[in-house]
Amino acid sequence: QVQLVQSGAEVKKPGASVKVSCKASGYTFTSYGISWVRQAPGQGLEWMGWISAYNGNTNYAQKLQGRVTMTTDTSTSTAYMELRSLRSDDTAVYYCARVEGGEGYWGQGTLVTVSS
Amino acid sequence: DIQMTQSPSSLSASVGDRVTITCQASQDISNYLNWYQQKPGKAPKLLIYDASNLETGVPSRFSGSGSGTDFTFTISSLQPEDIATYYCQQYDNLLLTWTFGQGTKVEIK
Repeated sequence: QVQLVQSGAEVKKPGASVKVSCKASGYTFTSYGISWVRQAPGQGLEWMGWISAYNGNTNYAQKLQGRVTMTTDTSTSTAYMELRSLRSDDTAVYYCARVEGGEGYWGQGTLVTVSS
Repeated sequence: DIQMTQSPSSLSASVGDRVTITCQASQDISNYLNWYQQKPGKAPKLLIYDASNLETGVPSRFSGSGSGTDFTFTISSLQPEDIATYYCQQYDNLLLTWTFGQGTKVEIK
């Protein structure tokens, strides 16, 4: 069965970087893209960007351009999302998701807390 | 950028009631719209894809309709386990972007 398993919670100081991983299993990794979505405490869902696991092409939300980088490692079927220059309003649960062709699979979420 | 306006932001209904949520796109998105259910502390769950198609395993009391700019999500008979926040999401396969609605919190009266 398709699974997306994310790395554990992180606590970071303002100005630092965080890298969240998302390990895929149960399907051919390079056949689908991975999207990243975040949710601040008590808030709605915010799309962050998308990466093709086939060729590494990316598209980032304009709001995060310059601070976010999404990558994949096809040898381990893992997608990564790195966010730099963290601020307090980056505190959120970060999700990876594969939603395509009428199928939706999400990771369990990774809480990133930014606090001095 | 396409904006998605979802309403209401919250609602309270009785068990067995019909519940309707609407989502309006700022421009024509054809049927490129999904609906999700999210329970506290959990990842969103895809319920409806391409505006009106029920995801496998999702109860038939959930349905979606619409195309172009106006979409509707319906729970035909609200059950206690349907307490959650529901989101619409448009996707653009050309620009490779998603946009979510603001969410609708559904509670039992």
